[in-house]
Amino acid sequence: DAGVIQSPRHEVTEMGQEVTLRCKPISGHDYLFWYRQTMMRGLELLIYFNNNVPIDDSGMPEDRFSAKMPNASFSTLKIQPSEPRDSAVYFCATQGAENYGYTFGSGTRLTVV
Amino acid sequence: EDQVTQSPEALRLQEGESSSLNCSYTVSGLRGLFWYRQDPGKGPEFLFTLYSAGEEKEKERLKATLTKKESFLHITAPKPEDSATYLCAVGNRKTSYDKVIFGPGTSLSVIP
Repeated sequence: DAGVIQSPRHEVTEMGQEVTLRCKPISGHDYLFWYRQTMMRGLELLIYFNNNVPIDDSGMPEDRFSAKMPNASFSTLKIQPSEPRDSAVYFCATQGAENYGYTFGSGTRLTVV
Repeated sequence: EDQVTQSPEALRLQEGESSSLNCSYTVSGLRGLFWYRQDPGKGPEFLFTLYSAGEEKEKERLKATLTKKESFLHITAPKPEDSATYLCAVGNRKTSYDKVIFGPGTSLSVIP
């Protein structure tokens, strides 16, 4: 298994531009989580899905952020318009069963200038 | 409100010098406590799940223990390859059955 695959690995964009981050989960894992990691705030949960359905998006900072999971093999996190304070590492993680540990992707390092 | 804190923030050890990392938590109903290791430029890697006070788990030089208020990650005779950030996370079975809250982590450096 290739694990959780995220793309791109690095993204540099200008303020105001749309950014789309992508995640391919592990086959058979029913839960998918989007996290953001910064030095100041650590790992923050943005949103998570169960069987492709959004369960809790209370961590999404504002309307500029949106996430979709159109099928069990793909999820996106979109930021429109992007701002410098969105600069962070964004992780996608999946979980196969309750109380099992998460499997994280390698992350996307986003820099908004 | 659920909370997770970790100490120390950073720890520097000589190779072979055993020590412990602390994770203190406040939750109304512990579903599980999770330990992860994170190497620079990578996502966290799952190590252990602990479910109830008194439980212990071991993996190579790492041993995790759990009480009603905290968990310890004991590192015995560490090697330079144990250098990483160690994160703990807790799940609350009463309020958030699916998700967990992560602590800020402890950055461990093991010097040869």
